[in-house]
Amino acid sequence: GAVVSQHPSWVICKSGTSVKIECRSLDFQATTMFWYRQFPKQSLMLMATSNEGSKATYEQGVEKDKFLINHASLTLSTLTVTSAHPEDSSFYICSARETGVEKLFFGSGTQLSVL
Amino acid sequence: AQKVTQAQTEISVVEKEDVTLDCVYETRDTTYYLFWYKQPPSGELVFLIRRNSFDEQNEISGRYSWNFQKSTSSFNFTITASQVVDSAVYFCALSEARSGNTPLVFGKGTRLSVIA
Repeated sequence: GAVVSQHPSWVICKSGTSVKIECRSLDFQATTMFWYRQFPKQSLMLMATSNEGSKATYEQGVEKDKFLINHASLTLSTLTVTSAHPEDSSFYICSARETGVEKLFFGSGTQLSVL
Repeated sequence: AQKVTQAQTEISVVEKEDVTLDCVYETRDTTYYLFWYKQPPSGELVFLIRRNSFDEQNEISGRYSWNFQKSTSSFNFTITASQVVDSAVYFCALSEARSGNTPLVFGKGTRLSVIA
């Protein structure tokens, strides 16, 4: 079955640094990828929709200058948390929809801890 | 607007008991998809089922079964003879089916604890 690889699985960084999270569709092409954030014991909240070759669409309340999304190819989307702060500590998970197929596949998630 | 409500925040059952996780949804779309995902402590989302809004047949997969009631906008999930390995957070989710660029809207999840 289709696989979405998300890397890294966890990262600890200092406040003020930037962190890049990669989301790759391994055996299918994904024109659309989604980024979610999950705080402890909370639901998954959509942050943005990433479209290959165009700008991402951000949900209300999500700072696009802070959470940079790049979807330069049909198999890779990246989320960069810029100038991370402790309140950015969260579980980030991506999902990808195989082009032409109505099914979403999720990455394994990235636990970000900002000290 | 779409909304998914999982009223049960936490459920604890003793092993071998049956347990039903409730899911109620709201959408203005006539065509949509409903999902259930399992999130074990490790964090990844495990896909359990996707149901098209036109298909109201109930489904059974091993110890799992789903009851889709369009009239009450519910998509409940039952685990029979629960096991400790079923302990996880379970999310119900909804997606429009109008285009390929629609994300999932998740409920808040139900944390299931199965006690040996």
